[in-house]
Amino acid sequence: ETGVTQTPRHLVMGMTNKKSLKCEQHLGHNAMYWYKQSAKKPLELMFVYSLEERVENNSVPSRFSPECPNSSHLFLHLHTLQPEDSALYLCASSQREGLNNEQFFGPGTRLTVL
Amino acid sequence: AQKITQTQPGMFVQEKEAVTLDCTYDTSDPSYGLFWYKQPSSGEMIFLIYQGSYDQQNATEGRYSLNFQKARKSANLVISASQLGDSAMYFCAMREGRSFGNEKLTFGTGTRLTIIP
Repeated sequence: ETGVTQTPRHLVMGMTNKKSLKCEQHLGHNAMYWYKQSAKKPLELMFVYSLEERVENNSVPSRFSPECPNSSHLFLHLHTLQPEDSALYLCASSQREGLNNEQFFGPGTRLTVL
Repeated sequence: AQKITQTQPGMFVQEKEAVTLDCTYDTSDPSYGLFWYKQPSSGEMIFLIYQGSYDQQNATEGRYSLNFQKARKSANLVISASQLGDSAMYFCAMREGRSFGNEKLTFGTGTRLTIIP
């Protein structure tokens, strides 16, 4: 596997379910990110992990819980979601040092909350 | 205030023609970087090109070039000789120097480009 992978690619869940999204990067990067992409809205940064520590949390509801066990893996645990949480969730990784370091994105998980 | 503004929600361009996608930005930080990403219907964001605020020359990457006008705070993407595979959403993004250490990228709302055969 190369680049950034995400599983599952599609997820349908009820409001009472608990599920997790997984992201894995094979690029040797030391920063990882979760973004939410809703229709007709800019990409929203949810969480940033740098050197496995959370450095940014953009006022995300507590029903989203991130976990970064090591520099290669990032999880987003979901529980008691709302229909408005339906969106494409994108994971990205990069080197933290350097203004010009681009973020590499995974293919995303298309989440539908019923 | 919007930090990244993309005023063209959609564009239709004839194949083989050049296309310019607009992006203006707002920052008081003297050190910043500007990025363009392409998002096909598959969903993955693909990095295209980068321009640093201190770069003296406009960035170029193959058929992509960036028309960087610092005084106007604009960073338009130019795609030469467009191809059908260029049909996608295009996002402009900015990273400010003060965010060094967490690499926060701020994205615009995007432009949907459709290439017509």
